Amino acid sequence: QVQLQESGPGLVKPSQTLSLTCTVSGGSISSGDHYWSWIRQPPGKGLEWIGYISYSGSTFYNPSLRSRVTISRDTSKNQFSLRLSSVTAADTAVYYCARNVGDVWGQGTTVTVSS
Amino acid sequence: EIVMTQSPATLSVSPGGRATLSCRASQNVRNNLAWYQQKAGQAPRLLIYGASTRATGIPARFSGSGSGTEFTLTISSLQSEDFAVYYCQQYDNWPPLTFGGGTKVEIK
Repeated sequence: QVQLQESGPGLVKPSQTLSLTCTVSGGSISSGDHYWSWIRQPPGKGLEWIGYISYSGSTFYNPSLRSRVTISRDTSKNQFSLRLSSVTAADTAVYYCARNVGDVWGQGTTVTVSS
Repeated sequence: EIVMTQSPATLSVSPGGRATLSCRASQNVRNNLAWYQQKAGQAPRLLIYGASTRATGIPARFSGSGSGTEFTLTISSLQSEDFAVYYCQQYDNWPPLTFGGGTKVEIK
C-alpha cells in the first residue's frame, strides 16, 4: 500500500526558509489522479491545509500562505517538497504530507522556528 | 472559504458509553465530509468519508450521518482506544480543504 514519509530539518531560524520533502512509496505521484498535500498542526492546535501538487504537476495553495509557499515535485525520486519562506515562530508545527484529502498520511515531522 | 465548527470542544464519556460529536459547515458541502481520529503523537486517521462511509478497517461502532451543513459522528460503545481528538473536514469546495477545530473525547 502507499506510504508517505516526511524528512527535513527540525530547526529553522526566523526569516529563513523551511524545506521539507515527502517520499512516497507503493505508488507513483504522477499517476492515478491523486493530489499530494501538505498539512500542518501547531502545538496543541488544529489542522491547517497548506497546499497540494497534483498528479499532473499543477499546484494550489492556501490563500493565507500563498505568498510564502512553493510545492514542487521530483518524479524521478517519487518525492514532493514544501518550501515556506520568511518563517516566524507561528510556523512552528508538525508538518504532514498526505494523499488526496487525507486517505493516507505520513507520520509527520516537527519543525521548530527559533534562533 | 468554508468554515467548519465542531461541538462540543470536549466530551466526557464513560467506557462503553455512547459519544455524539457534531460538525457544522458555514455553507452547503453536500455529503463531502470526512471525519478523522487523532491520538497523541500520531497522524490523523481517516474514519469516515462521504459523510457516512467507513474507511477500510474502521469498526462498525463508528458511524457518520448528515448532509448539507449539519453532520454527526457517533461512537456507539466507546473502547479505551477511542479516547482521542476527532476532526471533521469538508472537501466539497476545495481547495482549500478546511477542518473543524476538533472535539476531544475523554474518559469520564
